[in-house]
Amino acid sequence: EAGVAQSPRYKIIEKRQSVAFWCNPISGHATLYWYQQILGQGPKLLIQFQNNGVVDDSQLPKDRFSAERLKGVDSTLKIQPAKLEDSAVYLCASSLGRGTTDTQYFGPGTRLTVL
Amino acid sequence: AQKITQTQPGMFVQEKEAVTLDCTYDTSDPSYGLFWYKQPSSGEMIFLIYQGSYDQQNATEGRYSLNFQKARKSANLVISASQLGDSAMYFCAMRENSNFGNEKLTFGTGTRLTIIP
Repeated sequence: EAGVAQSPRYKIIEKRQSVAFWCNPISGHATLYWYQQILGQGPKLLIQFQNNGVVDDSQLPKDRFSAERLKGVDSTLKIQPAKLEDSAVYLCASSLGRGTTDTQYFGPGTRLTVL
Repeated sequence: AQKITQTQPGMFVQEKEAVTLDCTYDTSDPSYGLFWYKQPSSGEMIFLIYQGSYDQQNATEGRYSLNFQKARKSANLVISASQLGDSAMYFCAMRENSNFGNEKLTFGTGTRLTIIP
């Protein structure tokens, strides 16, 4: 079974530029998550989708970050314009979205460096 | 208050020895789940083991076991017979219901484990 796919793996941009990340979850997984992991910290949830609807975007900086999951499968996360403090690894995860043992499976992440 | 606390920023362990990584948590939700993930230098978060708050027995998965002490609110990960490939960051995480009606995963700050040959 294929895991969670993410691209690109690495991205270097200058501040005030735009960037987009792509995620394809495990087939059949209804729930998709985007996390931000700053160096030396644990991942922090940015946004959670259930199918193509947003469940929780309470920690998404909506003035610069946006995300969509139009067909309930793959998703894109965009930053516009980027700031220095956005340098982090952006992790995508997916889960079946049901059951008490619902486990999130993570992709390899995208390492963003903002100069 | 921190929801997940990992007090060991780094640990060095001799190969083939057992190692315990500490995790304490804080929640008022009676139904919650505890997870451990491994993050090698490649960056991917690898799921290791899960413990539900109502599970009567401690979870085990191969060389990994979870020492779940509900009254103490601790969920320590035990790795038996450590291997060089176990060198990585280890994160404890808790899933509980959020104010938005979803179940949210909160991570600790991690423990960097280094296995010495």
